[in-house]
Amino acid sequence: AQRVTQPEKLLSVFKGAPVELKCNYSYSGSPELFWYVQYSRQRLQLLLRHISRESIKGFTADLNKGETSFHLKKPFAQEEDSAMYYCALRPPLVFGKGTRLSVIA
Amino acid sequence: DSGVTQTPKHLITATGQRVTLRCSPRSGDLSVYWYQQSLDQGLQFLIQYYNGEERAKGNILERFSAQQFPDLHSELNLSSLELGDSALYFCASSPYGYGYTFGSGTRLTVV
Repeated sequence: AQRVTQPEKLLSVFKGAPVELKCNYSYSGSPELFWYVQYSRQRLQLLLRHISRESIKGFTADLNKGETSFHLKKPFAQEEDSAMYYCALRPPLVFGKGTRLSVIA
Repeated sequence: DSGVTQTPKHLITATGQRVTLRCSPRSGDLSVYWYQQSLDQGLQFLIQYYNGEERAKGNILERFSAQQFPDLHSELNLSSLELGDSALYFCASSPYGYGYTFGSGTRLTVV
């Protein structure tokens, strides 16, 4: 069965500090992993896909198949990064319970 | 605007009632997914339709049902509503299962 685990419910960091949001997955096949962001209970927005290996809003994520992880990282947090972050695995999209990132000024 | 339209945005109803939530996918997207978001359970996948046919089922209760019509819009029917069904219900669409785009959700409050 596919499962996504985000061990931290809440992560608080100071502005300018590095951020790492953890995500581990369980899936027997070849995984496709995503990070979604949700601001103030609005709709979810796609942040990153592992297949594209892109950087959005300064965030990056690397798929580590050995550790079955897909952690989200940003070197310098900004206040506008405060939101809920969900890691997801497809198909179909199964979400972790999310991590609330709070960036303190 | 994401291109995925959900109506209504808010819905307040009493226990035991039945409601229908509507989703119009992005133009050209054949897959529609329904999710329930609650504070304690997070985002739960309910069901997926692809071009009118049920493709995958998640944690959907028997009191809930869905369908996708020939014009590709989808409806989620929730019946015999309970207080615990209060949640945000999101719809998402994608072409061939890639690049999910989410709607703004329907906030259901059961009183």
